[in-house]
Amino acid sequence: QAVLTQPSSLSASPGASASLTCTLRSGINVGTYRIYWYQQKSGSPPQYLLRYKSDSDKQQGSGVPSRFSGSKDASANAGILLISGLQSEDEADYYCMIWHNSAVVFGGGTKLTVL
Amino acid sequence: EVQLVESGGDLVKPGGSLRLSCAASGFTFNNAWMSWVRQAPGKGLEWVGRIKSKTDGETTDYAAPVKGRFTISRDDSKNTLYLQMSSLKTEDTAVYYCTTEIHWGQGTLVTVSS
Repeated sequence: QAVLTQPSSLSASPGASASLTCTLRSGINVGTYRIYWYQQKSGSPPQYLLRYKSDSDKQQGSGVPSRFSGSKDASANAGILLISGLQSEDEADYYCMIWHNSAVVFGGGTKLTVL
Repeated sequence: EVQLVESGGDLVKPGGSLRLSCAASGFTFNNAWMSWVRQAPGKGLEWVGRIKSKTDGETTDYAAPVKGRFTISRDDSKNTLYLQMSSLKTEDTAVYYCTTEIHWGQGTLVTVSS
């Protein structure tokens, strides 16, 4: 079982909200991790969006709109990237990341389609 | 403005070697922990390894698929990060990015093929 699992794709309409999940493997407690989120558009390098551990330990990337926000669902052992007021420019691949056992682990990525 | 500029990507035969460089500017490089991340064509992001700052021991960690074949080093006098790759395999074909976790370079393409 992968350390981080993301749904491979998600579709949502312009103006709506999209909730992208990043589920940690059983036995790895989401509460102890900072979860990083990246956006990657076709042909470009990843761009840092934000990191979230708790409401008192979070960071928004420079220039990243506030409609991108992070949270956690402890019951699902998952990190969440919420994108509100979806725009066509939000169409991209989104990756979550954690530091686990002195190594970086990425989720497989979610392809967000805005249509 | 933070800039990370990778170079050194090339076409190399299986079993060959290659050294990538990443020139950094716009931040205090010698305090930064730096990582290499790669992305095979059409695939997701894969962490390659990381080097800590000199004050944190300049220790390195590597992903299992590259351990023993790849070496990360840094030259703080030149604000440059390196990735020495040896015993290259076709599955090492990817765009290689250097990153501080926050900032990313544009990447350099390594193609391993006979």
